[in-house]
Amino acid sequence: RKEVEQDPGPFNVPEGATVAFNCTYSNSASQSFFWYRQDCRKEPKLLMSVYSSGNEDGRFTAQLNRASQYISLLIRDSKLSDSATYLCVVSANSGNTPLVFGKGTRLSVIA
Amino acid sequence: ETGVTQTPRHLVMGMTNKKSLKCEQHLGHNAMYWYKQSAKKPLELMFVYNFKEQTENNSVPSRFSPECPNSSHLFLHLHTLQPEDSALYLCASSRDRYGANVLTFGAGSRLTVL
Repeated sequence: RKEVEQDPGPFNVPEGATVAFNCTYSNSASQSFFWYRQDCRKEPKLLMSVYSSGNEDGRFTAQLNRASQYISLLIRDSKLSDSATYLCVVSANSGNTPLVFGKGTRLSVIA
Repeated sequence: ETGVTQTPRHLVMGMTNKKSLKCEQHLGHNAMYWYKQSAKKPLELMFVYNFKEQTENNSVPSRFSPECPNSSHLFLHLHTLQPEDSALYLCASSRDRYGANVLTFGAGSRLTVL
């Protein structure tokens, strides 16, 4: 089983739609979780950290399910500018464990 | 500008060439990283430096040679590369080495090996 798995997509959704991505991770010792966003031919940038109780930032909501070992990202009222690849990132938080990136889920928001 | 600057942004080299990628961070971070991003693959960690000391070499071939003269600068020296080494090479930094820290990436150096 891969360490971090994501559906590569693409997810093609109309403007204004709600879209959700899931990401599963294999290491039950994982402690830190993030969503990064990567635009075409650009570098990844932090979108949001994912907290145990779930967290929201504007139109974006992140959830963590430790029992099933997955995190999710919900985007409400999609904008054209949300089109990007969303990378799930997980870390076991120990000094010797680096961040592990998923392959990413590609989202295209269509007018 | 992200605070992490990479040069050159694009590089084309032959298999017998020697070139270097440079990364500089202006964020006061203590850890710096090289990642490789190839099409349809997740980001692959190559090297990690924490307080100028290499703490991780992720089984990277010796044709890639990192150098970290201080906490703000990181180089990746390239020699006798293969066409399959063509990829986007991303430098990143974080406050320190531990996994909870957020990474700030540079814009990347897109390498093509002919």
